[in-house]
Amino acid sequence: KAGVTQTPRYLIKTRGQQVTLSCSPISGHRSVSWYQQTPGQGLQFLFEYFSETQRNKGNFPGRFSGRQFSNSRSEMNVSTLELGDSALYLCASSLGQDNEQFFGPGTRLTVL
Amino acid sequence: QKEVEQNSGPLSVPEGAIASLNCTYSDRGSQSFFWYRQYSGKSPELIMFIYSNGDKEDGRFTAQLNKASQYVSLLIRDSQPSDSATYLCAVIAPRTRGYNKLIFGAGTRLAVHP
Repeated sequence: KAGVTQTPRYLIKTRGQQVTLSCSPISGHRSVSWYQQTPGQGLQFLFEYFSETQRNKGNFPGRFSGRQFSNSRSEMNVSTLELGDSALYLCASSLGQDNEQFFGPGTRLTVL
Repeated sequence: QKEVEQNSGPLSVPEGAIASLNCTYSDRGSQSFFWYRQYSGKSPELIMFIYSNGDKEDGRFTAQLNKASQYVSLLIRDSQPSDSATYLCAVIAPRTRGYNKLIFGAGTRLAVHP
């Protein structure tokens, strides 16, 4: 069974731009969660989607948004990029509530 | 107080020894507990999960959970240099706080030396 895939793997943007990251979960998994990992803050929860509905959201500004499609693929968007948004963005998929979450390889975003 | 606490290390053990990694969590309503391994520059890889009090063994790995003490640990037997990585303890927040929110500790860096 194929694992979680994320595209692109690397991105370089400048301040003020916006970016869209994509995640395809493991086949049969309907829950997709997004996390941000930075050296200073560690791994932090952004949001979770299940059956195209956002069920949970972390403490991030409204510039961070996401969506999920009917095939469970998910995208997250960051608008008006700031230097502090430079991070590894990770997507994780799971069957549902409280199940194990499996991470994709991540997208490393650098904001200049 | 951090929600999930781990000793940042580094924890240095000789090859063949048992590595013991510890984690405490603050929310008593937490139900699901996970250990991830993360190599430098890579994404976290799930190595163990445990839902009930007691021990759970999988190969060289044993996870231990004590909900009364709000403590979860990971033992790695016969440690190998390839086990050198950062080990992340993660807890799913109680459902009252929404769905599927994994709360991570800062991670413990393990170094296994030959």
